[in-house]
Amino acid sequence: DIQMTQSPSTLTASVGDRVTITCRASQTITRWLAWYQQKPGKAPILVINKASTLESGVPSRFSGSGSGTEFTLTITTLQPDDFATYYCQQYKSFPWTFGQGTKVEI
Amino acid sequence: QVQLQQWGAGLLKPSETLSLTCAVYGGSFSDYYWSWIRQTPGKGLEWIGEINHSGSTYYSPSLRSRVTMSVDTSKNQFSLNLNSVTAADTALYLCARSRPERLFDSWGQGILVTVSS
Repeated sequence: DIQMTQSPSTLTASVGDRVTITCRASQTITRWLAWYQQKPGKAPILVINKASTLESGVPSRFSGSGSGTEFTLTITTLQPDDFATYYCQQYKSFPWTFGQGTKVEI
Repeated sequence: QVQLQQWGAGLLKPSETLSLTCAVYGGSFSDYYWSWIRQTPGKGLEWIGEINHSGSTYYSPSLRSRVTMSVDTSKNQFSLNLNSVTAADTALYLCARSRPERLFDSWGQGILVTVSS
């Protein structure tokens, strides 16, 4: 299985901050990486696919980058609605695996 | 807009079989894969397996020996059976739709399944 490791586990930030979350894969996944946002009591929402493509309706303050084994999710100008837990997921090879999550908190 | 609605027993005893069903409303049933994913505070999101409209399945190697998935295309429903459950199977179980490239773009509301004697 491809192991996905996110850092940090928790990130404390303020409204207006720029935040960056890192996701590392245990082997190359080229750009087959997705990011999800999850709020308490809700299902995850797909935010970014193929490392850097924003899903429809996702604000442009979200961006993704990376390839191979190292990827980042950046949120510029953090908004109150962005406080959530973010997960990366590789879809390069079966079984599909997720990172352990990064909680962005105030 | 697609909606996934899931149901099933939420409290099981060790060695029993977990059974959940997910109904899909709206959208195409045949153009996607249908997955079960579970979530725990300790292990995060864990993909359990998937099925397509023709009944082809892929299961996570770690759960393959205990998992069975089935599909009912007449009702646009798919189901999960996980046998011989233990406390380690206690989790929030989510059904999800995935695009052919295996991006999960729609999810059910989740069912908390607790395994306890």
